[in-house]
Amino acid sequence: AQTVTQSQPEMSVQEAETVTLSCTYDTSESDYYLFWYKQPPSRQMILVIRQEAYKQQNATENRFSVNFQKAAKSFSLKISDSQLGDAAMYFCAYYWGQGAQKLVFGQGTRLTINP
Amino acid sequence: EAGVTQFPSHSVIEKGQTVTLRCDPISGHDNLYWYRRVMGKEIKFLLHFVKESKQDESGMPNNRFLAERTGGTYSTLKVQPAELEDSGVYFCASSPRVRQEPYGYTFGSGTRLTVV
Repeated sequence: AQTVTQSQPEMSVQEAETVTLSCTYDTSESDYYLFWYKQPPSRQMILVIRQEAYKQQNATENRFSVNFQKAAKSFSLKISDSQLGDAAMYFCAYYWGQGAQKLVFGQGTRLTINP
Repeated sequence: EAGVTQFPSHSVIEKGQTVTLRCDPISGHDNLYWYRRVMGKEIKFLLHFVKESKQDESGMPNNRFLAERTGGTYSTLKVQPAELEDSGVYFCASSPRVRQEPYGYTFGSGTRLTVV
């Protein structure tokens, strides 16, 4: 079964600095998707960034980028120039698509931004 | 367009009572998903509706949980009787019929259920 592990329950960073959130996963599939979701307090979960496993190039969305290491099954999220609005729970998630139509999530990382 | 709405946002009930959670998806979204995050652990899939039909209910923990989606519109998730381990945050998401992939999802804000 596929699993996703986020080993950092909490992280904090100074405003304007860079922080990296870690995620590892386990799968025997070769074609899948990986996602980072953000959930601000008491608000809906939104998609931050996605990566297709067949793409070697790391995805980037403005200040958010990923380091996708397929062989190592690692998918970390880098947030540059951290802003107060980045404070949230961040969830890493895996999706296969060929089988059940469902996301497999990690445990989440609570990110605090210090002003 | 209106987003995915879940209510109540919070619910506190006693063990043994019944609670019904509701999710209103985005209008026209055929796919509706329920997920749950229990006590700081990972978010886990519960089930997936396509319109009013249950496509996949493999994540439903036991027969105390009953999900319905009347007429393919809103969905309810009933827990009866509630147990302490049911406490957590219940998320709903919806997506258009042709966009089952998660980047087509819109999540709700979740319902925080506390069983005491």
